[in-house]
Amino acid sequence: NAGVTQTPKFQVLKTGQSMTLQCAQDMNHEYMSWYRQDPGMGLRLIHYSVGAGITDQGEVPNGYNVSRSTTEDFPLRLLSAAPSQTSVYFCASNRRGGVTDTEAFFGQGTRLTVV
Amino acid sequence: GESVGLHLPTLSVQEGDNSIINCAYSNSASDYFIWYKQESGKGPQFIIDIRSNMDKRQGQRVTVLLNKTVKHLSLQIAATQPGDSAVYFCAEIILTGGGNKLTFGTGTQLKVEL
Repeated sequence: NAGVTQTPKFQVLKTGQSMTLQCAQDMNHEYMSWYRQDPGMGLRLIHYSVGAGITDQGEVPNGYNVSRSTTEDFPLRLLSAAPSQTSVYFCASNRRGGVTDTEAFFGQGTRLTVV
Repeated sequence: GESVGLHLPTLSVQEGDNSIINCAYSNSASDYFIWYKQESGKGPQFIIDIRSNMDKRQGQRVTVLLNKTVKHLSLQIAATQPGDSAVYFCAEIILTGGGNKLTFGTGTQLKVEL
């Protein structure tokens, strides 16, 4: 079982460059989300999606775009990279709603450095 | 404002001892509280959750206690093993029709000494 797959695992960008972080899940989960993890700050929600065609902003959305054209994929786009976006990015998925659907499955993470 | 935070950034325990990781929260509207384990270089992994109307829940070698009076959550790990070394996050979750929103605390590093 692949679960949640993120690519790339590592990336170095120059300030002002753009790129897309890929995320795919094979569990047919409706809900997908992107987090960034910075030292001493835990995981912060960037954007999330409750299903194909629907996205919404999380806690720290500025500088990032997302789209959800299929249930499986939820790419995160950095339009113009800034050093403040240096972080580890995690994609997660879980079933939508319900009292039993509290478990989120995380990818392995993408370590992004912006110089 | 709403927050989920941890009392201690690092906890060192001897192998075989019990570990207790603490967490404070401020949002009384949370439906569930969850503990995640994150090993170095990996994504967070679900350990156990507890519904907000419960006081205690047990899993395999782990127990989560919820004290709503003082808004405190703890994770107890019995007979701590070297494989338990990781960062542990508490998180709160609010169930909505639009999906479950997770809010994470800052994490506690658990170090198991041989």
